[in-house]
Amino acid sequence: EIVLTQSPGTLSLSPGERATLSCRASQTVSSSYLAWYQQKRGQAPRLLIQGTSIRATGIPDRFSGSGSGTDFTLTITRLEPEDFAVYFCQQYTSSPIFGQGTKLEIK
Amino acid sequence: QVQLVESGGNLVKPGGSLRLSCAASGFSFSDYYMIWIRQAPGRGLEWVSYLNTGGTMKYYADSVKGRFTISRDNAKNSLFLQMNSLRAEDSAFYYCARVSRGNSFAFEYWGQGTQVTVSS
Repeated sequence: EIVLTQSPGTLSLSPGERATLSCRASQTVSSSYLAWYQQKRGQAPRLLIQGTSIRATGIPDRFSGSGSGTDFTLTITRLEPEDFAVYFCQQYTSSPIFGQGTKLEIK
Repeated sequence: QVQLVESGGNLVKPGGSLRLSCAASGFSFSDYYMIWIRQAPGRGLEWVSYLNTGGTMKYYADSVKGRFTISRDNAKNSLFLQMNSLRAEDSAFYYCARVSRGNSFAFEYWGQGTQVTVSS
């Protein structure tokens, strides 16, 4: 079974800075099946990116996804206060698998 | 707009049963795969079960296989999860979500979740 490892576990940044979150798969993953979610405290996750780089409806363009093979990245340019949350990557091959999450906190 | 509303979560003793429901609106429910995903407090996300549009193909995580049953009623725009032989490790928020169509398997819309607590 594929394992997704997200890094760092916690990322401390200031509003206005750029955030780079990593998701590494233990085996090659189809780019079509790599997604990113944002979860704020007390809320359900929200889809940000699917197909590695396709923003979901209503997601601002400061969020972007990239990568291929086993290495994928979520980049948030110019952090806004509402972007501080936990981010999960997810892939699907024979079953859906989530990474353990990266907490993006205010420095 | 798309709305998913879960219900049925509760406090139950180990070995007990619960039936979760998810009421869908704002989209053509019968056109989408649906999934249940759970999250223990302070923990990550774990898929539980999903099924195809007609409810004829069902998939379960190993951790719930043989104990949980997923189903849907397309006439009533509803998704269900029958949970039997519950264990403490089943305690979590349970979310229903709509699976994207096409060449992707992302979870486009999520409900607000319903909490299941298994404790004596």
